[in-house]
Amino acid sequence: GNSVTQMEGPVTLSEEAFLTINCTYTATGYPSLFWYVQYPGEGLQLLLKATKADDKGSNKGFEATYRKETTSFHLEKGSVQVSDSAVYFCALSSGTGNQFYFGTGTSLTVIP
Amino acid sequence: SAVISQKPSRDICQRGTSLTIQCQVDSQVTMMFWYRQQPGQSLTLIATANQGSEATYESGFVIDKFPISRPNLTFSTLTVSNMSPEDSSIYLCSVVVLEAFFGQGTRLTVV
Repeated sequence: GNSVTQMEGPVTLSEEAFLTINCTYTATGYPSLFWYVQYPGEGLQLLLKATKADDKGSNKGFEATYRKETTSFHLEKGSVQVSDSAVYFCALSSGTGNQFYFGTGTSLTVIP
Repeated sequence: SAVISQKPSRDICQRGTSLTIQCQVDSQVTMMFWYRQQPGQSLTLIATANQGSEATYESGFVIDKFPISRPNLTFSTLTVSNMSPEDSSIYLCSVVVLEAFFGQGTRLTVV
């Protein structure tokens, strides 16, 4: 079946630190992979995505590379800001339908 | 893309009552998804709503507790029935148009 395993939080970093949030998946077929972000008091919004192996998604300084060989889609940012404080969800879409599968979410707090 | 208007944004309800949540999408979509997000947890899919047929419920969710309507391709409602404090959560509707789009959520508190 389809599932997403995400690094548990919470994660607390100092401003300008390097961020990695691990995400691995199991899927049938050829899934698309996503990172969603939920800022405090807001709904989920797409951060970045990758639709096939070796694709790199990027947005707002965040990057993630679709690694089929390790079934991973780790989120990285070289220098986090206080405004990056949010909950991050890794997700996949199986491609055979419209259903999404979400990880448990990782709460990130960036302190000045 | 898709823009979803969800309401109410929040409510405080008495136990034993029911609340209906509405989602309006700005384009026609075949499927709409309803999720529950309990405090500090991930999204749990409640059901998938197709226009013109009964919703498909995930394990642990039943139609009597969470009846869903889908009268057309742009609108759906989820009712949380006979509420108890355990139903306190954020409820989200979602559609997929190449990516998942979400409503702003309904924060429900049952007292």
